[in-house]
Amino acid sequence: GQNIDQPTEMTATEGAIVQINCTYQTSGFNGLFWYQQHAGEAPTFLSYNVLDGLEEKGRFSSFLSRSKGYSYLLLKELQMKDSASYLCASMDSNYQLIWGAGTKLIIKP
Amino acid sequence: GAVVSQHPSWVICKSGTSVKIECRSLDFQATTMFWYRQFPKQSLMLMATSNEGSKATYEQGVEKDKFLINHASLTLSTLTVTSAHPEDSSFYICSARDSHVGAFFGQGTRLTVV
Repeated sequence: GQNIDQPTEMTATEGAIVQINCTYQTSGFNGLFWYQQHAGEAPTFLSYNVLDGLEEKGRFSSFLSRSKGYSYLLLKELQMKDSASYLCASMDSNYQLIWGAGTKLIIKP
Repeated sequence: GAVVSQHPSWVICKSGTSVKIECRSLDFQATTMFWYRQFPKQSLMLMATSNEGSKATYEQGVEKDKFLINHASLTLSTLTVTSAHPEDSSFYICSARDSHVGAFFGQGTRLTVV
């Protein structure tokens, strides 16, 4: 079956670094996505990885290892506005997104 | 990134009435659009996949006669919640896939049925 696993909740301190992990098992693979979702709002696109390695985009970076079925989202210099849910999604061979349940990130001053 | 516009952002309707939600891709052609539903503090649940010019594919457990999806053009898909009931109150989100990568989301529609 298809499955995405990510932690339910994480807590970090303002100014620090946090890594949110995601493991996936899907029928075929056409890329791994990370989205940010604030409460009551629709998700917004953060990153897309289809090749192994690290993609850096400002304070956010995303890593992919296809052989391990593993990705992480790295957030640096955390700000209070980064408090949100972070959704990991794998695109399968039918270009369908398979979603994780999301990781709620709580930032403390 | 690509822009997807969803309208309305929120709607309150009486039980038994129908509500139409529109999803438009503004700067790209979306051959495929997805409709999701999200209950508070829960993950996105895919309701249906809509392909332009053909019937939508519904996920198991989603009533196709209740949630009518029309994808008449490459830039517009609509979801109509027919004979809405309070249990249909939820956050409905559309996303559109372009030909290259990714799924871009509309702003979401918060439906409250009273």
